[in-house]
Amino acid sequence: DAKTTQPNSMESNEEEPVHLPCNHSTISGTDYIHWYRQLPSQGPEYVIHGLTSNVNNRMASLAIAEDRKSSTLILHRATLRDAAVYYCILPAPDSNYQLIWGAGTKLIIKP
Amino acid sequence: NAGVTQTPKFRILKIGQSMTLQCTQDMNHNYMYWYRQDPGMGLKLIYYSVGAGITDKGEVPNGYNVSRSTTEDFPLRLELAAPSQTSVYFCASSYTLHGGAGNQPQHFGDGTRLSIL
Repeated sequence: DAKTTQPNSMESNEEEPVHLPCNHSTISGTDYIHWYRQLPSQGPEYVIHGLTSNVNNRMASLAIAEDRKSSTLILHRATLRDAAVYYCILPAPDSNYQLIWGAGTKLIIKP
Repeated sequence: NAGVTQTPKFRILKIGQSMTLQCTQDMNHNYMYWYRQDPGMGLKLIYYSVGAGITDKGEVPNGYNVSRSTTEDFPLRLELAAPSQTSVYFCASSYTLHGGAGNQPQHFGDGTRLSIL
């Protein structure tokens, strides 16, 4: 079973910021939080990951709550090319190789 | 730099036929993975490998086999195709030195779309 909870879908306007939420109340102290996205008919693409503090890269920012039970992926200025399914993922319990994938959030960008 | 390359991109099989899905990576990654993705769902891990000569089962291994004779290649074999194996198959790789592969980004191929009729 997926260890994370995400909304099924979200809509946003082009060139506006997007905040994609994720709840992970059963996260353990050593679990990294991963975000991937999947464009239509493509393989998943790594976006960002983090452990405790907020993380930034060229694609997005990851804001992690102080208790680590939730996180938010931030796209600072969404474009039509950001329309995809976004997955918030944790490692499987007692595993150093397996990531547990849920159904993700389908992000719709309106022009 | 090609990354992770999967072949074929599409295939239709008859029930009971066999085939091999090919996966190769040129990033010198030690970990490699095979996933399947059913419509509207997330990915499920079939098999993984931590290096040449070492493979292990994931969440849904039944009906599949793998081998890892080189760092670059990780083929997935379907011996007796069944309709339940109709899916999109993704191969991925990651580099892990410390801390476990669960903490490292994975790089994915574009997938093989397999239909079994």
